Amino acid sequence: QKEVEQDPGPLSVPEGAIVSLNCTYSNSAFQYFMWYRQYSRKGPELLMYTYSSGNKEDGRFTAQVDKSSKYISLFIRDSQPSDSATYLCAIPNTNAGKSTFGDGTTLTVKP
Amino acid sequence: NAGVTQTPKFQVLKTGQSMTLQCAQDMNHEYMSWYRQDPGMGLRLIHYSVGAGITDQGEVPNGYNVSRSTTEDFPLRLLSAAPSQTSVYFCASSPQGVEQYFGPGTRLTVT
Repeated sequence: QKEVEQDPGPLSVPEGAIVSLNCTYSNSAFQYFMWYRQYSRKGPELLMYTYSSGNKEDGRFTAQVDKSSKYISLFIRDSQPSDSATYLCAIPNTNAGKSTFGDGTTLTVKP
Repeated sequence: NAGVTQTPKFQVLKTGQSMTLQCAQDMNHEYMSWYRQDPGMGLRLIHYSVGAGITDQGEVPNGYNVSRSTTEDFPLRLLSAAPSQTSVYFCASSPQGVEQYFGPGTRLTVT
């Protein structure tokens, strides 16, 4: 079983929609849950992350972790065409500075 | 700060040729990693380093070598290029082992 699995997509939504991006993970010992955004032909950039369980909000973005079901989600409110990108969930190995990534979900927000 | 830089941006190799992908960071991060990204797939770890002089293998190390003689530089060597190594290569660094900062990538084609 992969350490982290991501809903594959792709997703296409109209501007202003609420977007939900989802991943599951295998090891209940994981503490950090990361979301990276990758624009076409660019390197990934850190969007936000949560530690342990609960929600974290940053503007239109909310990251949520449900440790009981090993489920992580990223919600985007009032989606904009500029949100069109691939979103990658990731679990870091903090002792080694490396991460295991989901396969990514490509989101297109249509004006 | 320039962040994480990678050279070259693009490269075409013939099967059997060797080359080195350069990666440098100016943030004094101890942790550095190399990933490859293939279409429809997430990032797969090739090699990583927890500090100067220390490297280890990731998920897909075959055909690649690394060294870390300084904190700043982490070059990736392709020993004898094969078409299966056609991919986009990303270098990343991390200050504390949680978040990673990625370079812009090198697009490699092996014919």
